[in-house]
Amino acid sequence: GAGVSQSPSNKVTEKGKDVELRCDPISGHTALYWYRQSLGQGLEFLIYFQGNSAPDKSGLPSDRFSAERTGGSVSTLTIQRTQQEDSAVYLCASSLGAGATDTQYFGPGTRLTVL
Amino acid sequence: AQSVSQHNHHVILSEAASLELGCNYSYGGTVNLFWYVQYPGQHLQLLLKYFSGDPLVKGIKGFEAEFIKSKFSFNLRKPSVQWSDTAEYFCGIKAAGNKLTFGGGTRVLVKP
Repeated sequence: GAGVSQSPSNKVTEKGKDVELRCDPISGHTALYWYRQSLGQGLEFLIYFQGNSAPDKSGLPSDRFSAERTGGSVSTLTIQRTQQEDSAVYLCASSLGAGATDTQYFGPGTRLTVL
Repeated sequence: AQSVSQHNHHVILSEAASLELGCNYSYGGTVNLFWYVQYPGQHLQLLLKYFSGDPLVKGIKGFEAEFIKSKFSFNLRKPSVQWSDTAEYFCGIKAAGNKLTFGGGTRVLVKP
């Protein structure tokens, strides 16, 4: 596709429910990143995948958060037992490689609201 | 660990005014520097980036940024803003590892 796509664009859920957010990176991009954009916290790194290497999970805020990337392409971010503080816009980005000079291209985000 | 600080949270100015947004980072080693912009209702887009070489880099839409290593700064400038520059601007660095560390963002409102 032309850019990074994410679905759904909006998700409203009740506290305690699990949610899955999907990201389709730009075709051919080997690196995929998840970030979270929330009021008061700005843009925070969550996790990144590069090829077949073990993901860098250093930004995940708790063990309720997990992500996987199947077939080196599509990624799913799962939040279990959602809490109100999980409300945020979840952004996915991809880059051609994972070098320091590789530019990350961002998707439109999924706005998650936990009631 | 690296960190990024953007001094201004909100900036309001009139069309044709000059814009400068401050960005300072904390990291003792080599960094790669980025400015991203998020227009209302749109996703983050890359404005410009600096990896090495000439510390004055030019990006899209007339923006430029200057890397001053001694000041750990990467300020964004535009000599004459337009109403369409209304957006939120994020400074980011890549230091150790491949994740981007962002500043808190600066909301810019350009009055027509």
